[in-house]
Amino acid sequence: GESVGLHLPTLSVQEGDNSIINCAYSNSASDYFIWYKQESGKGPQFIIDIRSNMDKRQGQRVTVLLNKTVKHLSLQIAATQPGDSAVYFCAENRGGSYIPTFGRGTSLIVHP
Amino acid sequence: SQTIHQWPATLVQPVGSPLSLECTVEGTSNPNLYWYRQAAGRGLQLLFYSVGIGQISSEVPQNLSASRPQDRQFILSSKKLLLSDSGFYLCAWSVPTGNQPQHFGDGTRLSIL
Repeated sequence: GESVGLHLPTLSVQEGDNSIINCAYSNSASDYFIWYKQESGKGPQFIIDIRSNMDKRQGQRVTVLLNKTVKHLSLQIAATQPGDSAVYFCAENRGGSYIPTFGRGTSLIVHP
Repeated sequence: SQTIHQWPATLVQPVGSPLSLECTVEGTSNPNLYWYRQAAGRGLQLLFYSVGIGQISSEVPQNLSASRPQDRQFILSSKKLLLSDSGFYLCAWSVPTGNQPQHFGDGTRLSIL
């Protein structure tokens, strides 16, 4: 689950479980959303994106769900593996902007 | 395919010294370029972005400056580093249209002593 404060929210799961990382976005005018994965000491890596005309998009082992009514975005990772351990960021864009707004990130810890 | 290179990977500098971090992109033309800073355990703070050669937009007043001398080269500089400039600096690029993902380099870990 998530916690409030200066530290990153953390989600701990067992290897093989499904993970769900949540993100609340701020602007109802946002029309493009992205998920990034950042491993320790590296830059964020693009995982998957979704545009506001869609509710769901699937990739390899990942699914992004968009609920525009409550301004909520989630990333589902199937059969989570230790290599999935990282910080996950959501980002929102609006109106064709070049500049996304990033969320604070969630740390995913996968226990073998 | 497109690649982005940042160097150096780590840098230790004394307070008051100058800084130059370089970022280059290959395999694409006229990219949008970005510099971010990330404090430990925190999110991404946009410092500068550029939509073309010589065009720099600053998002936050800083002890830093940026330049884009060539289409695929983005440089982050400082004349005199402060302790508060320590952090993880990330360069990114995106295609020159809106609503596209950014692609990040592997960052420079800057420590100021």
